[in-house]
Amino acid sequence: GDSVTQMEGPVTLSEEAFLTINCTYTATGYPSLFWYVQYPGEGLQLLLKATKADDKGSNKGFEATYRKETTSFHLEKGSVQVSDSAVYFCALNRGGATNKLIFGTGTLLAVQP
Amino acid sequence: DAGVTQSPTHLIKTRGQHVTLRCSPISGHKSVSWYQQVLGQGPQFIFQYYEKEERGRGNFPDRFSARQFPNYSSELNVNALLLGDSALYLCASSLDTETYYGYTFGSGTRLTVV
Repeated sequence: GDSVTQMEGPVTLSEEAFLTINCTYTATGYPSLFWYVQYPGEGLQLLLKATKADDKGSNKGFEATYRKETTSFHLEKGSVQVSDSAVYFCALNRGGATNKLIFGTGTLLAVQP
Repeated sequence: DAGVTQSPTHLIKTRGQHVTLRCSPISGHKSVSWYQQVLGQGPQFIFQYYEKEERGRGNFPDRFSARQFPNYSSELNVNALLLGDSALYLCASSLDTETYYGYTFGSGTRLTVV
C-alpha cells in the first residue's frame, strides 16, 4: 500500500545552519505531496505542497521538489531559526475513491541559538 | 476568516464511556476529514465526508462513527472507549476532495481515556 518514510529525528541544528529532512514515498499513480509542520501543543499547518513531478513547493524559506524518479520530496531550508523548532510531517494524497492524507512518522527539529 | 474550529480542546473520559467531538470547517469548505494522532506518530486517517456523504473510511473499528451536517460541520463519535483511544483527534477541512487542495487542520481535541 501507499506509504511515506521520513528520516528519524530528532534533528538538532544551530541557528543559521542548513536543513534537510529526507522524505521518500511509495504510491501508485501520481500523488500530491505535502509538508506539514506541528508546533508544540498545536494542530498541523500546511507548509508547502507539490502536485506533479518536478514541481517545487516553497514557503517561508522552506523548499521541496517533487522527484518522481527517486520518489522523494526532501524538505530544505538554507538558514534555520529557533522559531523553526517543531515536528515536520511529510504526507501524500493519491486521491481516488478514498481521498486521504498518508503521513510519515514526523521529524522533530530542534534549533539552538 | 475563522479557521477550522474543534471542541472541546481537552477531554478526559473513563473506559467504556462514549465521546462526541465536534468540528466546524472553514467557511466555504465542503469536505471534512478526521485523523487520530497518537503521541509520537503521524496522524492516521479515520473518515472523510463531503456534502454530508461518507467518502472514505480508514482502518478503525465500528466503535468510531461520524457524520456531517447541512452546514458542513461534523461530529466524530467513539463508543466503548479503550485506553488506546487516547490521542489527539484532528479535523481537517478542504474546499473539495481534489488532491491538489491542501487540507487545513484544526488545533485538535486531546482525548485522554483513564
